[in-house]
Amino acid sequence: EPEVTQTPSHQVTQMGQEVILRCVPISNHLYFYWYRQILGQKVEFLVSFYNNEISEKSEIFDDQFSVERPDGSNFTLKIRSTKLEDSAMYFCASSRDYQETQYFGPGTRLLVL
Amino acid sequence: GQQLNQSPQSMFIQEGEDVSMNCTSSSIFNTWLWYKQDPGEGPVLLIALYKAGELTSNGRLTAQFGITRKDSFLNISASIPSDVGIYFCAGLTATGANNLFFGTGTRLTVIP
Repeated sequence: EPEVTQTPSHQVTQMGQEVILRCVPISNHLYFYWYRQILGQKVEFLVSFYNNEISEKSEIFDDQFSVERPDGSNFTLKIRSTKLEDSAMYFCASSRDYQETQYFGPGTRLLVL
Repeated sequence: GQQLNQSPQSMFIQEGEDVSMNCTSSSIFNTWLWYKQDPGEGPVLLIALYKAGELTSNGRLTAQFGITRKDSFLNISASIPSDVGIYFCAGLTATGANNLFFGTGTRLTVIP
């Protein structure tokens, strides 16, 4: 069964450094998403991406964040200058179409020191 | 953002017992999804509901999309130790936004 994959599984970085989190969505899906989950809290939406552009974003997704689909399979989330409060699990998800079921990857645990 | 209230927050049950949890919102949703999350892993889809009143089963799991479109429940029958985890409801609103709003989660512990 097709799955969303994410790399790396864990990332430790120093405050102020840039990080890039990578995802490979399910191959015939058209919509891609990033969510985050701070330890012990619920999952929160960051951004959705369709047809090579951002379709929706939340208040959390400020100028420090960017997304890109650099090739036909990868979908990346970049945090330009990490802050302590960026420490969280970051989940990539994809859906076949608009307002359809979203399937999640295993997550990247980001720790900012 | 939208508030999805999930209850109970946590449950401790004996193996073999049935479990019921629910999710409510003040807003109308087009889709309700139930996910299970194990520690350090991503949410895994359990059941998807697309129509008001819909009742759907997946093995020992049954979920319903409330008639008002503002609530959903999940039942687990004859619980087993591997049912342990955090169960999240999530929904797509009727506003047409494509982002999922997640509930606060129900932490389930099954005592063998």
